[in-house]
Amino acid sequence: SAVISQKPSRDICQRGTSLTIQCQVDSQVTMMFWYRQQPGQSLTLIATANQGSEATYESGFVIDKFPISRPNLTFSTLTVSNMSPEDSSIYLCSVSRSDRGNYNEQFFGPGTRLTVL
Amino acid sequence: DAKTTQPPSMDCAEGRAANLPCNHSTISGNEYVYWYRQIHSQGPQYIIHGLKNNETNEMASLIITEDRKSSTLILPHATLRDTAVYYCIVRVALQGAQKLVFGQGTRLTINP
Repeated sequence: SAVISQKPSRDICQRGTSLTIQCQVDSQVTMMFWYRQQPGQSLTLIATANQGSEATYESGFVIDKFPISRPNLTFSTLTVSNMSPEDSSIYLCSVSRSDRGNYNEQFFGPGTRLTVL
Repeated sequence: DAKTTQPPSMDCAEGRAANLPCNHSTISGNEYVYWYRQIHSQGPQYIIHGLKNNETNEMASLIITEDRKSSTLILPHATLRDTAVYYCIVRVALQGAQKLVFGQGTRLTINP
């Protein structure tokens, strides 16, 4: 398995500000994913982040709003920029461990609960 | 990836088997069926996956119909800790492409 930690675990922010969420994995992984889970809803994929290349964003999400960094194989950040109350969600980091030849499991972090006032 | 349909909610008595259905009538031949669950305030957790044969692990069993258009996740002896939202996901298991698309899932409540 993969152990994933996220910082912060939760935050309350003012509209118009930005928050950077960190995701740390206990081992090297090829692919990392960022999801958003709005209150009472399912998970929605924001983007896929590979080390050494720009993130690939899903429809409805743009780099200016959700810039992502992936400086190495164990770490990634997601920034929620110019926040509004509609950005209040749980943001989850996820990894796929394809480097060990097992493509069957995807592991999720505990999430960052963001509230925008 | 094919679309899945699940009942929005189910109840089950503690100690009984919980059977969660999933319809995936447009599934393609190279698409797998995955099950994840999300316990309140936690990230999703992998349960099991399968292509066409029934599968069993320490957590659950997965029964896939012969035409692969539907499947059932079975928790053989449900406990209160199995209360969670269960997601059935259909996707191709490509190398390096582990993107998961989540539907609304089934909210399973285990009652004492």
